[in-house]
Amino acid sequence: DIQMTQSPSSLSASVGDRVIISCRASQSISTYLNWYQQKPGKAPKLLIYAASSLQSGVPSRFSSSGSGTDFTLTISSLQPEDFATYYCQQSYSTPYSFGQGTKLEIK
Amino acid sequence: QVQLVESGGGVVQPGESLRLSCAASGFTFSNYGMHWVRQAPGKGLEWVAFIRYDGSSTYYADSVKGRYTISRDNSKNTLYLQLNSLRPEDTAVYYCAKGKTTTDYWGQGTLVTVSS
Repeated sequence: DIQMTQSPSSLSASVGDRVIISCRASQSISTYLNWYQQKPGKAPKLLIYAASSLQSGVPSRFSSSGSGTDFTLTISSLQPEDFATYYCQQSYSTPYSFGQGTKLEIK
Repeated sequence: QVQLVESGGGVVQPGESLRLSCAASGFTFSNYGMHWVRQAPGKGLEWVAFIRYDGSSTYYADSVKGRYTISRDNSKNTLYLQLNSLRPEDTAVYYCAKGKTTTDYWGQGTLVTVSS
């Protein structure tokens, strides 16, 4: 099974900051990598699919890169609505594992 | 617009069973693979199961293999998850999600609580 490891597990930042979240796979997953945002009490929302493709309706301040085993999610200028938990997920092979999550909090 | 509505959650005792449903609308259900994903209280997301668009293949997490069964009825646009031999550690919100490698729509979730 493929293990997904995110770092950091939590992060404090201010509105306007640039934030980078990392995700590492235990083996190569090509670009079968999705990023989700989840707010308390809500379902996850797809932000990025296929490692770097922005889901329709997602603001362009979100971007992602990577292939193989190492990926990053970048939020170029944090907005108040971006404070949430972020998850990466590999869809290369079952079980389609998630990272443990990165909780982004207001500094 | 795409809608996924889960139902069937509730409080059960260890060893009991439940069947969850996910009613789909707003897209051609029979064209898409579907997932179940769960989230224990205060914890992260855990992938549970996947079924191909035509129901021909199913896949499960090791933690539920042999106890859970994913199925679908394309004539009713509905996805199911049969949960048997439930354990306290199965307590979670269960989400259905559309798509195979890209899950672009999720339901609001249904809570399953396993407690004596």
